Amino acid sequence: DTAVSQTPKYLVTQMGNDKSIKCEQNLGHDTMYWYKQDSKKFLKIMFSYNNKELIINETVPNRFSPKSPDKAHLNLHINSLELGDSAVYFCASSQDVYNSPLHFGNGTRLTVT
Amino acid sequence: GQQLNQSPQSMFIQEGEDVSMNCTSSSIFNTWLWYKQDPGEGPVLLIALYKAGELTSNGRLTAQFGITRKDSFLNISASIPSDVGIYFCAGRRGAQKLVFGQGTRLTINP
Repeated sequence: DTAVSQTPKYLVTQMGNDKSIKCEQNLGHDTMYWYKQDSKKFLKIMFSYNNKELIINETVPNRFSPKSPDKAHLNLHINSLELGDSAVYFCASSQDVYNSPLHFGNGTRLTVT
Repeated sequence: GQQLNQSPQSMFIQEGEDVSMNCTSSSIFNTWLWYKQDPGEGPVLLIALYKAGELTSNGRLTAQFGITRKDSFLNISASIPSDVGIYFCAGRRGAQKLVFGQGTRLTINP
């Protein structure tokens, strides 16, 4: 009965490959997010969706494409992976776009070799 | 853009000691959140603050929303080994993005 679940937990791939990370939340929340955590543990937002609509798109290379088939799912597809993409990617959800707190998944550690 | 300065970046304490960390912002926030992250896991919400001056406790943890709405602090009393981890503050204003501090890494010597 995990609230925010993302798969896979670990992803090791070579440069140039395309990969996807999936996220699902069973909290009934309207808003979902993707965050990137770098080696220094800094958390930076990448995207935010509210009821399947993109509302935040930070300065992220367009090799990263989020997709929200419904408000319980937000997947992240990455094309032409680069070494600098190696990081931990966290999915999160919140009740709404305003002041409700975010609930995070356990992360996907992406290693690009 | 909005920036949060969280301090200290790391703390090394003895078990049983009290801990204090804080965050300051260049912007006003309507919400302050405090999270803890254990290795290999995602950040877990500890305390949420929604009103300037608000003081909220969660067990041995106490957090306050600064009067100026530009700062917040988190105190942990009588630390225990399971308090080890990285603590993050985060602030938000309305529908704007949630901005995180750089984190405070807490290490406890038994």
